[in-house]
Amino acid sequence: DAMVIQNPRYQVTQFGKPVTLSCSQTLNHNVMYWYQQKSSQAPKLLFHYYDKDFNNEADTPDNFQSRRPNTSFCFLDIRSPGLGDAAMYLCATSRGQSLSTDTQYFGPGTRLTVL
Amino acid sequence: AQKITQTQPGMFVQEKEAVTLDCTYDTSDPSYGLFWYKQPSSGEMIFLIYQGSYDQQNATEGRYSLNFQKARKSANLVISASQLGDSAMYFCAMREGNFNKFYFGSGTKLNVKP
Repeated sequence: DAMVIQNPRYQVTQFGKPVTLSCSQTLNHNVMYWYQQKSSQAPKLLFHYYDKDFNNEADTPDNFQSRRPNTSFCFLDIRSPGLGDAAMYLCATSRGQSLSTDTQYFGPGTRLTVL
Repeated sequence: AQKITQTQPGMFVQEKEAVTLDCTYDTSDPSYGLFWYKQPSSGEMIFLIYQGSYDQQNATEGRYSLNFQKARKSANLVISASQLGDSAMYFCAMREGNFNKFYFGSGTKLNVKP
């Protein structure tokens, strides 16, 4: 039944060691999003894909990269994690319709710890 | 300017009472959608309710209703008959027109007291 799946749910990495978070969806939605959320803060959009079109936020550090090899999967790569990158990473999808009624569906998140 | 403003960092409500969580928004696009999400301590964002800019009536979904005042640019969430399980962070969000980006407010942490 799960519609947006994130693996792993918890990830521990070492300072500077590359890490990849994955997201998959069974909704066949056109748009996939990656958010970073730190404790008690709003989710911060890192980037999103409309199909294969990549949209980066201006303030997303170069340390964060993303890949979407097909409609179902999207990956977040953190090339050299720093202590400040410890956060919850949320993946979301939406249909990408041209109506403002289009809502987002979120995965359960991956909580990243950097040692 | 902030697209979405939530001015209540934290709220307390007694179980079984109603509570209103405030949200104001800023947009010049005549077509937009307003969303409320609930985020329990587990971290997952749960969609609660949606209001469109052209909707004539306030949205309702079970115990959730949205008090939409277009002229004031506010979209307050009303939770009736609060339950202990309603304790969570609540985020207001907006999507404008044809764009896929969602803007989130800073959230309100709701605590329901027994």
